[in-house]
Amino acid sequence: AQTVTQSQPEMSVQEAETVTLSCTYDTSESDYYLFWYKQPPSRQMILVIRQEAYKQQNATENRFSVNFQKAAKSFSLKISDSQLGDAAMYFCAYKGSQGNLIFGKGTKLSVKP
Amino acid sequence: DTGVSQDPRHKITKRGQNVTFRCDPISEHNRLYWYRQTLGQGPEFLTYFQNEAQLEKSRLLSDRFSAERPKGSFSTLEIQRTEQGDSAMYLCASSPGWGQGLLGSGYTFGSGTRLTVV
Repeated sequence: AQTVTQSQPEMSVQEAETVTLSCTYDTSESDYYLFWYKQPPSRQMILVIRQEAYKQQNATENRFSVNFQKAAKSFSLKISDSQLGDAAMYFCAYKGSQGNLIFGKGTKLSVKP
Repeated sequence: DTGVSQDPRHKITKRGQNVTFRCDPISEHNRLYWYRQTLGQGPEFLTYFQNEAQLEKSRLLSDRFSAERPKGSFSTLEIQRTEQGDSAMYLCASSPGWGQGLLGSGYTFGSGTRLTVV
């Protein structure tokens, strides 16, 4: 069975600085997708960025980028120029052949002004 | 389309009562998912539908839980004889299905229904 591990329960970053959230996963599949979701307090979960496993190029979305290391089964999220609105729970998620998302336990990100 | 809607937003019920939640997915999406999220944890998969067919149920979904998606549109999740351990946020999400670009698509989540069993 696939698993997703986020080893940082909480992280903190100064406004305008850069922070990296870690994620590792375990799978025997070769084709899959990886996602980062953001869940602000008391608000719905929204998709931040996704990565196709067959692509070597790391995905980027404005201030958000990933470092995808397929051999190491690592998928970290880098947030550049952190803003107060980035404060939220961040979940790493895996989607394989079944099409269902498997989530990690999340990392709570705080942004200090 | 206004996204995924869930109703109610909050539900407080006494132990032993039955509760039912509703989810209205994005109309073009064939797949509908139910997840449960407890405080400080990631969402845990409960079940999903491809159109009206319930294709998979997690072991978390005890026999007190039942989900339906009549006609492949909205879905309901019912919990019978609620227990305090059922207190959680119940999330619904939808996504494109097979033939619609399933694998590469993320989910669109609703705002969730927060259940408190007292």
